[in-house]
Amino acid sequence: AQRVTQPEKLLSVFKGAPVELKCNYSYSGSPELFWYVQYSRQRLQLLLRHISRESIKGFTADLNKGETSFHLKKPFAQEEDSAMYYCALSGQGTSYGKLTFGQGTILTVHP
Amino acid sequence: EAGVAQSPRYKIIEKRQSVAFWCNPISGHATLYWYQQILGQGPKLLIQFQNNGVVDDSQLPKDRFSAERLKGVDSTLKIQPAKLEDSAVYLCASSFQDGPYEQYFGPGTRLTVT
Repeated sequence: AQRVTQPEKLLSVFKGAPVELKCNYSYSGSPELFWYVQYSRQRLQLLLRHISRESIKGFTADLNKGETSFHLKKPFAQEEDSAMYYCALSGQGTSYGKLTFGQGTILTVHP
Repeated sequence: EAGVAQSPRYKIIEKRQSVAFWCNPISGHATLYWYQQILGQGPKLLIQFQNNGVVDDSQLPKDRFSAERLKGVDSTLKIQPAKLEDSAVYLCASSFQDGPYEQYFGPGTRLTVT
């Protein structure tokens, strides 16, 4: 079974502060990990995926297989980063393409 | 490109009534997903189609939920009869192919069962 845990439902930081949204997963294999984001009154959309190893809007995430984590980080948070963030996992075999989402973390960046 | 379309956006029904949701994916996307998102939780996959065939419906409550994608394009999700616990946002998503590709989400249908 595959499972994704986001331990923080709410996270508040001030503009310019570093931010880290935690994600831990459970999967017996090599997963694909994603971060999806939902801004206010917008659709859920892909922020980044570990396989592409790119930085989007200043965010990065490193897959740590030893700790089974995929934390999302940004060195200097901006007010426009305020949103709901979901970590998601796609497995292999019959789970290929099937996304399992965490419960989400609401990030609020204060001015 | 046009995004994933869903209708209706909101629906209020009484328990034991039936309801249907419609989804039109991005043109050319072979894979279509229906998710259920209960308040305070992340989306949960209900069913996945590859063209007009079902890939995964292991989490679909088949005694009351049904879905089809007859021509491999549009899809409908039906609940009959609805229960109070079916109150949720129903999200449709599509991707180019089956696999760990980006999924594009629709705006969702918010269902309230009273």
